[in-house]
Amino acid sequence: GDSVTQMEGPVTLSEEAFLTINCTYTATGYPSLFWYVQYPGEGLQLLLKATKADDKGSNKGFEATYRKETTSFHLEKGSVQVSDSAVYFCALHGSGGGNKLTFGTGTQLKVEL
Amino acid sequence: GAVVSQHPSRVICKSGTSVKIECRSLDFQATTMFWYRQFPKQSLMLMATSNEGSKATYEQGVEKDKFLINHASLTLSTLTVTSAHPEDSSFYICSASDRGSFTGELFFGEGSRLTVL
Repeated sequence: GDSVTQMEGPVTLSEEAFLTINCTYTATGYPSLFWYVQYPGEGLQLLLKATKADDKGSNKGFEATYRKETTSFHLEKGSVQVSDSAVYFCALHGSGGGNKLTFGTGTQLKVEL
Repeated sequence: GAVVSQHPSRVICKSGTSVKIECRSLDFQATTMFWYRQFPKQSLMLMATSNEGSKATYEQGVEKDKFLINHASLTLSTLTVTSAHPEDSSFYICSASDRGSFTGELFFGEGSRLTVL
């Protein structure tokens, strides 16, 4: 079945540091890939998405490129801010139909001054 | 963008009582809504898939009689935790997909934190 593997956290960075959160997936066909963000005490919000190979999703300075050859969708940001502190979830929607998402375990990011 | 609202955001109840959590899609019709449970520092655990006008589909290990789900309209689904106990304390999150155009994106509610004393 479909699965998503994320790097374990927490990840602690200083403000303005470069961020990478790794995400790899296992799925048949051509899934759509997503990054969701959860700020403390809140529900999840879609951060960015990519629906086909080589697509790059971007939002709020975050980017992720759909790499089919490495089955990866790593999240990057060139300069993090304290306000980026949150939990980040990688997810996929399988190409088999239906509307169920498969989530990774989440990676907590802490950004310090 | 599409908005999903959950209510209440926080609820504290006594052991043995029942608690109802509402999930509403405010500006779109949601044929399907999902209910998740999130434990501290862990990912979302899908509890059930709620389809408008039909019975919910529960994931393995989730008690149907414990977690009652009703999806009476295209904009409202409810989760009732019956005879709640302290181990039911958790963060419950609903999500919905837009009936009009599903691209894999789900819209999430703000979550409801349940504390059972």
